[in-house]
Amino acid sequence: GQQLNQSPQSMFIQEGEDVSMNCTSSSIFNTWLWYKQDPGEGPVLLIALYKAGELTSNGRLTAQFGITRKDSFLNISASIPSDVGIYFCAGSNDYKLSFGAGTTVTVRA
Amino acid sequence: DAGVIQSPRHEVTEMGQEVTLRCKPISGHNSLFWYRQTMMRGLELLIYFNNNVPIDDSGMPEDRFSAKMPNASFSTLKIQPSEPRDSAVYFCASNGYSSYNEQFFGPGTRLTVL
Repeated sequence: GQQLNQSPQSMFIQEGEDVSMNCTSSSIFNTWLWYKQDPGEGPVLLIALYKAGELTSNGRLTAQFGITRKDSFLNISASIPSDVGIYFCAGSNDYKLSFGAGTTVTVRA
Repeated sequence: DAGVIQSPRHEVTEMGQEVTLRCKPISGHNSLFWYRQTMMRGLELLIYFNNNVPIDDSGMPEDRFSAKMPNASFSTLKIQPSEPRDSAVYFCASNGYSSYNEQFFGPGTRLTVL
């Protein structure tokens, strides 16, 4: 599938911090999705975006569909320990999802 | 509501053995996907079914892999014979008419081929 560039690859968070990650693509997508995967589990859908420029929130999570339709970002506000995990972006134009490599979020010791 | 159900959750087998992974999609969903996840390659789509019909199997690695969907509530992914390089986590996901491109994943089956 198409390659998505997701950054950062990993990050350390301290409880209470805001964190941000993003995805870029060389191709246009009609849909951007953000998933979270905990160890030993399947990816869980966090937010789905369908319109360029759309800004959508789900609790402490906020995601935006870039105007160019080639990028998206996810923000987590006031992080808590259970926010640790791997976050994946995915772009889609039909049934196929193209996934980013993931951002691993770890609690800073 | 029950999510996507997969079994077994873990499978350890020896090279050359047949492996069958099972999936029950979310009730009412008409699309089903099988994925494989590895550290090296991330999440890869293996096969996509729509209304129980295989639409895209271009991701199936080779003839050792086969998938069936005999009805709307059940699908299998079979590997015969299995090889150590097949070791990975296999996910099933489903999608319905009303959920656009949103795919809902099962918990996965971790396969280890010795």
